[in-house]
Amino acid sequence: EAQVTQNPRYLITVTGKKLTVTCSQNMNHEYMSWYRQDPGLGLRQIYYSMNVEVTDKGDVPEGYKVSRKEKRNFPLILESPSPNQTSLYFCASCPTGMNTEAFFGQGTRLTVV
Amino acid sequence: AQKVTQAQTEISVVEKEDVTLDCVYETRDTTYYLFWYKQPPSGELVFLIRRNSFDEQNEISGRYSWNFQKSTSSFNFTITASQVVDSAVYFCALSEAEGEGGSEKLVFGKGTKLTVNP
Repeated sequence: EAQVTQNPRYLITVTGKKLTVTCSQNMNHEYMSWYRQDPGLGLRQIYYSMNVEVTDKGDVPEGYKVSRKEKRNFPLILESPSPNQTSLYFCASCPTGMNTEAFFGQGTRLTVV
Repeated sequence: AQKVTQAQTEISVVEKEDVTLDCVYETRDTTYYLFWYKQPPSGELVFLIRRNSFDEQNEISGRYSWNFQKSTSSFNFTITASQVVDSAVYFCALSEAEGEGGSEKLVFGKGTKLTVNP
């Protein structure tokens, strides 16, 4: 089954404790991206990757890092999480770019206290 | 710059009513793509439709229909005979084509929360 898998689904952590949210897709898609969803703000792009070893900033990249060492995985790293990063995070993948149907993961609800 | 506006923050209807969700977009590109996604209470994002800027034909899929009008930069979504299962947040989104390499981002509106009451 074609899917994008994020882990964990829920996470509560403390300020400053490094964490990684994993994202994996099994569709051999070149493009992957991370979004955060906040009430009243919709979804905003954090980082994206057009292909392996190619990553770039989206609209709200501050406080996040990503890597794309292999095509299927695109982890999101919070080196020093802060409460303003409490949000619902989605990973997405597409064959080439976001002008095609995007496949989204189930979401990761992160709470930073 | 790309922008998507969904002016209706929340809509509440009674089952079997028709409801239209508005979407207005801004782009300087002549080639672009418009989308609607549904986010039910369970939280996942479900793709509903994709439209390119050269295809202004309206589309109907069961109780769902979409009205794309370039003249008013709108891509509205109508649910006919709404049902309780239609309760969700609906997002309109825009992607600009960037040559052959595909678009870098999908810009979302802030979403419209639809509640269908029995």
